[in-house]
Formats: sequence, C-alpha cells, structure tokens
Amino acid sequence: DTGVSQDPRHKITKRGQNVTFRCDPISEHNRLYWYRQTLGQGPEFLTYFQNEAQLEKSRLLSDRFSAERPKGSFSTLEIQRTEQGDSAMYLCASSEFFGPGTRLTVL
Amino acid sequence: GESVGLHLPTLSVQEGDNSIINCAYSNSASDYFIWYKQESGKGPQFIIDIRSNMDKRQGQRVTVLLNKTVKHLSLQIAATQPGDSAVYFCAEIINGGSQGNLIFGKGTKLSVKP
Repeated sequence: DTGVSQDPRHKITKRGQNVTFRCDPISEHNRLYWYRQTLGQGPEFLTYFQNEAQLEKSRLLSDRFSAERPKGSFSTLEIQRTEQGDSAMYLCASSEFFGPGTRLTVL
Repeated sequence: GESVGLHLPTLSVQEGDNSIINCAYSNSASDYFIWYKQESGKGPQFIIDIRSNMDKRQGQRVTVLLNKTVKHLSLQIAATQPGDSAVYFCAEIINGGSQGNLIFGKGTKLSVKP
C-alpha cells in the first residue's frame, strides 16, 4: 500500500455518459499526477499538479477531460461524453508513488 | 524523439536464478530513473530509483545499473522468486523529479518458473 487511494476502483459506463474519478494522494505531497494506461502499454502522462496549480497537460487530455485539485489535497479527473476509446486504467501518482488505479470500461 | 524502450518484451527464468531486465532511453537530458513492478490489475509499484550522477544502486535483492554513455538501464533481481512475476517498467524523468512527469516504456513481462 503506497498510501495513495483512488475511487472507484472500477467503473462501467455507457458511451456518452460523464464519469468522475477521485485520487487521495500521500499527505503533504505537493506533486500529483494523472496517467492513463491501456493493456500492454506503459502509463501515459495526462496532467500534473503542484499543490492546487495544474502546471502541465498532455496532448492526450482532450477537451472532454478536466482535472482539478481545489485545495491542493485530493484531485478529481472528469471525463465528459465518454467514448469507447476512453476505456483504460486511470492512475494517480503522488510524486513517484502510484495508487491502485481506476479501471474504466465504456460500453 | 523521447522514448523509453525495453529490449525484450518477455523474460522467463527459473526460480532461484538471477533476472536481468534491460531498458534503453533516448533522452540524454533525463537525470532520474525508476524501475516499477506492476502486477495484474494493480498500479505500478516503486522498486528502486537511480539518479544520473550514479552508475549503480542496490536494494533488497535488486540492483539497478545505469550506463549514461550508451543510455542503458538494467534491473537485476537476485534469486528470482515466483512473487517476482510481473511486468517491469523503467521510467525516466527530466529535472531530477522535482517537476515534470515520468516517461514509461512498454514493459517487460517476467515469468518465474517454479
């Protein structure tokens, strides 16, 4: 257990629906990252927070994706109008330590 | 371009043998490297890291070697056990990890035969 928690662990949704994931990082860790991982691939960077400031966003993060870290503690990642291609494992990292991930399946 | 790759996608070893997993990186500006172990359905687990001012670092049963000349990284696992079976990723980062993101390769699947 790295001390990073993610909720939910699994999410099944229908195409077109919105989903929101939550990440609770290790206390006092300033850096928080979101990554996406598809089967057989390494994690791909999505976005990065330093405290509450979102400092970097990947080109993978389309306008349907939005992430927040309002108080510099927990973070949320929302995907609007989900598509089947969004099916993946969404990983949160507190500095270099990863949470268990949220497995998203879009039907 | 920037990429982290692995020479072998799969590696099968006998229990008790030593395992060596290799990784090549292309960004000479990368100065911090991490090896992760990922079991099925779980997030990557931090195993060991190394900074570019070092060429070797040892942990419990694991050793990471860094050759900056040829931009090569390896993970050695001593006395491999069935519990070591997983996918192993190397990841690189620029700026010593104080900012910026990790760049991962595709991974090597390690299978340990009893």
